Amino acid sequence: NAGVTQTPKFRVLKTGQSMTLLCAQDMNHEYMYWYRQDPGMGLRLIHYSVGEGTTAKGEVPDGYNVSRLKKQNFLLGLESAAPSQTSVYFCASSYERSSGRGNYEQFFGPGTRLTVL
Amino acid sequence: GEDVEQSLFLSVREGDSSVINCTYTDSSSTYLYWYKQEPGAGLQLLTYIFSNMDMKQDQRLTVLLNKKDKHLSLRIADTQTGDSAIYFCAEIRSGTYKYIFGTGTRLKVLA
Repeated sequence: NAGVTQTPKFRVLKTGQSMTLLCAQDMNHEYMYWYRQDPGMGLRLIHYSVGEGTTAKGEVPDGYNVSRLKKQNFLLGLESAAPSQTSVYFCASSYERSSGRGNYEQFFGPGTRLTVL
Repeated sequence: GEDVEQSLFLSVREGDSSVINCTYTDSSSTYLYWYKQEPGAGLQLLTYIFSNMDMKQDQRLTVLLNKKDKHLSLRIADTQTGDSAIYFCAEIRSGTYKYIFGTGTRLKVLA
């Protein structure tokens, strides 16, 4: 199993450009999450999904959109990038809370380092 | 408050014990986690504790949970240079799908 993969690993954008980050998981997890990591601020939840076709806002959703058209994929879009969106983005997935499977740990991708100039 | 709190930095000498502390917010959280992040990588689960436990030991790792004070700690015995990383505590808020992470503690192990 590849686990959770993220594409691309690095990207540099100019202010106002758009891009899509792709997250894929092969563990048949119901839940998927997008976080951003900034120095001294830990991980902050951007958006999450509890199943195919469903998405919900997290702690810092402004400036981002997401889609979960297939269970294994969770896309994060930036419509008009701003320097404040310079960050490292992590995708994660986990089993459904009611599945009774294990400790509901989140499995993380390796991250995408985004710089907006 | 709403935040899960951790100190930002910890420095120890190789072979000593490290203790990383965390204060969480939701007394009804069922699982509490410790994740490790090595440089340039994503987070990986290190260990976890279920809320009906006070202590969990796993080789060099000991997790202590004080539910009254909402305090979680991770002790690493015989700390090695390979333990240098950022350590995050996290909780699942009851009634939500969300995991709340602390700010992370950067552990530096001096040879």
